Amino acid sequence: SQQGEEDPQALSIQEGENATMNCSYKTSINNLQWYRQNSGRGLVHLILIRSNEREKHSGRLRVTLDTSKKSSSLLITASRAADTASYFCATAATGANSKLTFGKGITLSVRP
Amino acid sequence: GAGVSQSPRYKVAKRGQDVALRCDPISGHVSLFWYQQALGQGPEFLTYFQNEAQLDKSGLPSDRFFAERPEGSVSTLKIQRTQQEDSAVYLCASSLVGTSHSNQPQHFGDGTRLSIL
Repeated sequence: SQQGEEDPQALSIQEGENATMNCSYKTSINNLQWYRQNSGRGLVHLILIRSNEREKHSGRLRVTLDTSKKSSSLLITASRAADTASYFCATAATGANSKLTFGKGITLSVRP
Repeated sequence: GAGVSQSPRYKVAKRGQDVALRCDPISGHVSLFWYQQALGQGPEFLTYFQNEAQLDKSGLPSDRFFAERPEGSVSTLKIQRTQQEDSAVYLCASSLVGTSHSNQPQHFGDGTRLSIL
């Protein structure tokens, strides 16, 4: 069963704009991770935020985590056509052998 | 290679046949995971190995699914008497350490796309 729900389900923006994607989850977590998946390929890890962290940056990526609301957001700044992909949030529940529970994903299209 | 390798990339089988999917994780990675991804959905957990020990198989959908990792490196996912609902992409992932508090990312292969006719 999928734990997370991403919002929106699909997002289309112009190159250079920022893209914001949201994720909600249900159980207590050890960490939350964001992954990218290009069509026909595996998932690529983007960023991991631990349950005791509130914000994290990596290059053009900014992730926030609000454990009281059980939600996270991923911001991609100055988007590029190459950012076109599906994005998934995944949670590692406490005491769960590090297995990940994924949402259904967000399809991001960046128009050149 | 440096990444997780899965084979075959595509597999077509007739309903009722047995299939075997292979995963070669990153060298030295302790943890290995199998996920099933249906079209348009996120991956769903199937099973987890720490070295050669299968510590969690709670996601396997039926007793037709069997996974092994006998020497703690390469893993095989076997599906017996395949059904049409088994059609999906099967993803393998590995990570460096093996504790539940590891906070390690998982590294995914490109998956095996299984089609059951």
